[in-house]
Amino acid sequence: AQSVAQPEDQVNVAEGNPLTVKCTYSVSGNPYLFWYVQYPNRGLQFLLKYITGDNLVKGSYGFEAEFNKSQTSFHLKKPSALVSDSALYFCAVRDMRSGNTGKLIFGQGTTLQVKP
Amino acid sequence: KAGVTQTPRYLIKTRGQQVTLSCSPISGHRSVSWYQQTPGQGLQFLFEYFSETQRNKGNFPGRFSGRQFSNSRSEMNVSTLELGDSALYLCASSLGTGGSYNEQFFGPGTRLTVL
Repeated sequence: AQSVAQPEDQVNVAEGNPLTVKCTYSVSGNPYLFWYVQYPNRGLQFLLKYITGDNLVKGSYGFEAEFNKSQTSFHLKKPSALVSDSALYFCAVRDMRSGNTGKLIFGQGTTLQVKP
Repeated sequence: KAGVTQTPRYLIKTRGQQVTLSCSPISGHRSVSWYQQTPGQGLQFLFEYFSETQRNKGNFPGRFSGRQFSNSRSEMNVSTLELGDSALYLCASSLGTGGSYNEQFFGPGTRLTVL
């Protein structure tokens, strides 16, 4: 089965500290992985994606993610957290069972709280 | 370039009624997907349209339907509303070609409340 897991409901970090939001996946074949962020009363904003190539992917707002095939993980990271990074973060994988379509399977989301 | 727009932003209906939600994708995008977001079930895929054809459908009852027009705008309809249909309905657009790696761009959503 194709799935995505975000093991932490909430992550708390102090401003200026590095942050990590965890994501593990289960897919058949090569994974296409995405991170999105959602602010209150807003839609999802695309942060970054992994398709192929370098395991370290750089995205918007200083975020990056590390793809680890052996651990089937795609953790989101940022070297120095900002209070404005506080939001709900979703990891997603393309559902390749449905062929060349846009269906995404999302994790349950992780709330990131950055405290001043 | 304008982003994905959804109308209306908020909607209140009563059980048994039907509702139509609208989505205008980013200019040039031909694929439109719909997702339902609830606190309990998270984000769930409803369906995807590309060039006016439904090319994928999630596990939702037949009360949920959609369509896409020649200008790529899409509508989704929910008939015989139930309390459990209360959710944020998100529309996302992507180029739709070139493989499954195109990222999707989401609209702000329509918040549907069923009383």
